[in-house]
Amino acid sequence: AQTVTQSQPEMSVQEAETVTLSCTYDTSESNYYLFWYKQPPSRQMILVIRQEAYKQQNATENRFSVNFQKAAKSFSLKISDSQLGDTAMYFCAFGETSGSRLTFGEGTQLTVNP
Amino acid sequence: DTAVSQTPKYLVTQMGNDKSIKCEQNLGHDTMYWYKQDSKKFLKIMFSYNNKELIINETVPNRFSPKSPDKAHLNLHINSLELGDSAVYFCASTYNRGASPLHFGNGTRLTVT
Repeated sequence: AQTVTQSQPEMSVQEAETVTLSCTYDTSESNYYLFWYKQPPSRQMILVIRQEAYKQQNATENRFSVNFQKAAKSFSLKISDSQLGDTAMYFCAFGETSGSRLTFGEGTQLTVNP
Repeated sequence: DTAVSQTPKYLVTQMGNDKSIKCEQNLGHDTMYWYKQDSKKFLKIMFSYNNKELIINETVPNRFSPKSPDKAHLNLHINSLELGDSAVYFCASTYNRGASPLHFGNGTRLTVT
C-alpha cells in the first residue's frame, strides 16, 4: 500500500515571502500521479496542482510550483509571494493509475502572517 | 452550477440513531467516493463506486452502508451511530483515470452526542 508523509504539521510565513511544504511518499509503482490540495477554514477541498510521474518537468500553476524528485520519492510544494488567502491546511496526495484510490498525507497547516 | 453537492452540511444526532448523507455530482464523472476526515484533519477513504459498482471498500464498520442508485449519486447510510463516528464526511467524484483529480463536495460535519 502507498503511504504519504508530510513531516511539517505546521508552518508559518510572512506575506509576500516564499515557503516550501514537504511531502514524501512510498510506492512500488513506476507510474502514478501526485497532487496538492488546499483546505481553507471554509473546509472546502481545492486542487492546487498536480504532477504526472512520467513527466520530468515540474508542474507550475501561477504562484504554486512543485519540486518533484522521483528517485527520492519527494514532492514538495513551493508557494511564492505568499498571500493571506493562502492560509489553509495543505494535503499532499498520491494517485494510483491502476485503480481509483487517492491516498492523502497528514496535512500541513500553513499560516500566512501580515 | 456544475459541482459535487452533499446534504446536509451539518448533522447533529444522538448515539444509536440512524442517519443518511446524500451526494450528487453533475460533472459526468463515473467514479464517486466517501472520505472521512477525523478531528486531526486526516482524510481516509471509506468507499468508492465506479458506475454503480463498489470498487473500494476499506475497513469500515458494517454500520456504514453506501448506496449508489446511479453513477451521479452516492449516498451514505449510518446505523446505530457512535460517538466515534463524529467527523467530517466528504463526497468526491472523478473519472476513473489516475490523472483525473478528485472534485470534492463541501463536506458534512456529523456530531454524535
